[in-house]
Amino acid sequence: AQKVTQAQTEISVVEKEDVTLDCVYETRDTTYYLFWYKQPPSGELVFLIRRNSFDEQNEISGRYSWNFQKSTSSFNFTITASQVVDSAVYFCALSDLNNDMRFGAGTRLTVKP
Amino acid sequence: GAVVSQHPSRVICKSGTSVKIECRSLDFQATTMFWYRQFPKKSLMLMATSNEGSKATYEQGVEKDKFLINHASLTLSTLTVTSAHPEDSSFYICSARRTRDRGPYEQYFGPGTRLTVT
Repeated sequence: AQKVTQAQTEISVVEKEDVTLDCVYETRDTTYYLFWYKQPPSGELVFLIRRNSFDEQNEISGRYSWNFQKSTSSFNFTITASQVVDSAVYFCALSDLNNDMRFGAGTRLTVKP
Repeated sequence: GAVVSQHPSRVICKSGTSVKIECRSLDFQATTMFWYRQFPKKSLMLMATSNEGSKATYEQGVEKDKFLINHASLTLSTLTVTSAHPEDSSFYICSARRTRDRGPYEQYFGPGTRLTVT
């Protein structure tokens, strides 16, 4: 069975601080996909990144970076120099080849000015 | 490209009535669509997978007769909440998978529909 754990329920930081959101997953598949989504108060899911299980390269996109480590089954997300607009709920998700997608419980990030 | 819309965005209905939510892929064809439910401050839970021209596949614990899903065309899936009760109040999100995608698959999410049953 697939499972995604986001142990951090809520995180609060002050603007310009760096923050890392943790994601640990469980799967028996060798091929799978990992995702991060942002859900602002409006409710719409915003796609941030997709990673397949064979690509362990870390990725940086502006202030966002992702650290994928198969050895620890983790796919952590770091926001550098956080901004108030980064305040949202962030979901980590795991999908198999059949698109059976499972979401973590989400981490609510609050960035205070 | 890959835009998914949902209608309505918000709906309030009385207990005992039925309400229909539409999910449309605007600029692509979607053989498969997914329906999720999200309770306040909770995660998204997959309710069912909807395949065009065939019966939907429901997740364990989801009542088929309560949540009717119809995927009659390659761009439209509907979720009907029948005989709604206050506990059905939730945020319903759909997603669509583009037909031509052969992998890695991607789900494109709609903006969600907030249902309140009074």
